[in-house]
Amino acid sequence: QQQVKQSPQSLIVQKGGISIINCAYENTAFDYFPWYQQFPGKGPALLIAIRPDVSEKKEGRFTISFNKSAKQFSLHIMDSQPGDSATYFCAASSSGAGSYQLTFGKGTKLSVIP
Amino acid sequence: GAGVSQSPSNKVTEKGKDVELRCDPISGHTALYWYRQSLGQGLEFLIYFQGNSAPDKSGLPSDRFSAERTGGSVSTLTIQRTQQEDSAVYLCASSPINWGEQETQYFGPGTRLLVL
Repeated sequence: QQQVKQSPQSLIVQKGGISIINCAYENTAFDYFPWYQQFPGKGPALLIAIRPDVSEKKEGRFTISFNKSAKQFSLHIMDSQPGDSATYFCAASSSGAGSYQLTFGKGTKLSVIP
Repeated sequence: GAGVSQSPSNKVTEKGKDVELRCDPISGHTALYWYRQSLGQGLEFLIYFQGNSAPDKSGLPSDRFSAERTGGSVSTLTIQRTQQEDSAVYLCASSPINWGEQETQYFGPGTRLLVL
């Protein structure tokens, strides 16, 4: 049973546009929601993360929106650039689990075209 | 400072052989995780080590998989009698113990395993 559902699988955006990736979770014990960026041949790199006590977090061109009641969160990339072309993963973990293991979405391959 | 390192970066083996994958976490990070990334299953948790506590092995897919962490630092993931479905990228991550940072996991570049 997939606990974190991510959409879309792939996304093509024009340079300067807004990229939006959505995730939904089922486990209400999740209390940490990071987004990772992965380039081909590299390991995932933490981009931005949010906890459920806030509804939005912004770092530069990247914003997480969080809706606790709907159990959904999303990543917005403003002014998308060709260098943002990568695969993005949402994830979730629970401090109550003890291990903070991450449950990942299936990933979104973003292509930003000039 | 240095990030998480993994070796080898690529490994090709024959079905039925044993393989060992190594992870060097960031210095001072007490938590260490192994994940597997495959085309069909995405990123899956395998095992977690924290200090001297017993590891959380709940994600290991079969008893052919095992891992150890020596001296609270380097970790080795061993796959015995490899099968073709074991082909994947094996990722290691580490975390600091500092309050408020313990959920932040830093990933290595992975070991790409191909079982022929």
